[in-house]
Amino acid sequence: DQQVKQNSPSLSVQEGRISILNCDYTNSMFDYFLWYKKYPAEGPTFLISISSIKDKNEDGRFTVFLNKSAKHLSLHIVPSQPGDSAVYFCAASGGGSQGNLIFGKGTKLSVKP
Amino acid sequence: DTGVSQDPRHKITKRGQNVTFRCDPISEHNRLYWYRQTLGQGPEFLTYFQNEAQLEKSRLLSDRFSAERPKGSFSTLEIQRTEQGDSAMYLCASSPGPNYGYTFGSGTRLTVV
Repeated sequence: DQQVKQNSPSLSVQEGRISILNCDYTNSMFDYFLWYKKYPAEGPTFLISISSIKDKNEDGRFTVFLNKSAKHLSLHIVPSQPGDSAVYFCAASGGGSQGNLIFGKGTKLSVKP
Repeated sequence: DTGVSQDPRHKITKRGQNVTFRCDPISEHNRLYWYRQTLGQGPEFLTYFQNEAQLEKSRLLSDRFSAERPKGSFSTLEIQRTEQGDSAMYLCASSPGPNYGYTFGSGTRLTVV
């Protein structure tokens, strides 16, 4: 039973355009959400997070939106750059997970020059 | 502090052999996590420590797996009688506490032949 779902395994975007990565979750008790980026042969690196008391958090080119009623969050990257090409993981904690992060399967983003 | 270190980066072993991996977390982080990642999947939680206490173990952690964090600093993950299904990337992460983003190491890639 997957509690965090990333339904798009891959996404291709032109350089300079917006990338939108989506994530759905099933556990309404999750209260903290994060996005990680992973390059091949490296561990995931933290990108941005959002608490359930907010609906938006911004950090430079990266913005995360949280829609609690829909149990949905999204990561927007504007403008997209070729160096953003990586696998992006959505993760959530809370709801009995004791602070342990539950990850989605990831979305592979390719940004074409 | 250079972040979370994992050793070795790669390990090839024959089926039935025992292997041990080491993780050195960020020194001021009291939480240490082990995750496993296979191709096409997100990181899956295995176990975590708060200081030297192992507080939770996933059902993925069969009795062939054991983890220790003897002095609340570095941790080891041992797999006994390895099986081909154990082939994966083993990721270690640390955090200052719950609801903080993890810092991951680069992982240990295990191949069981």
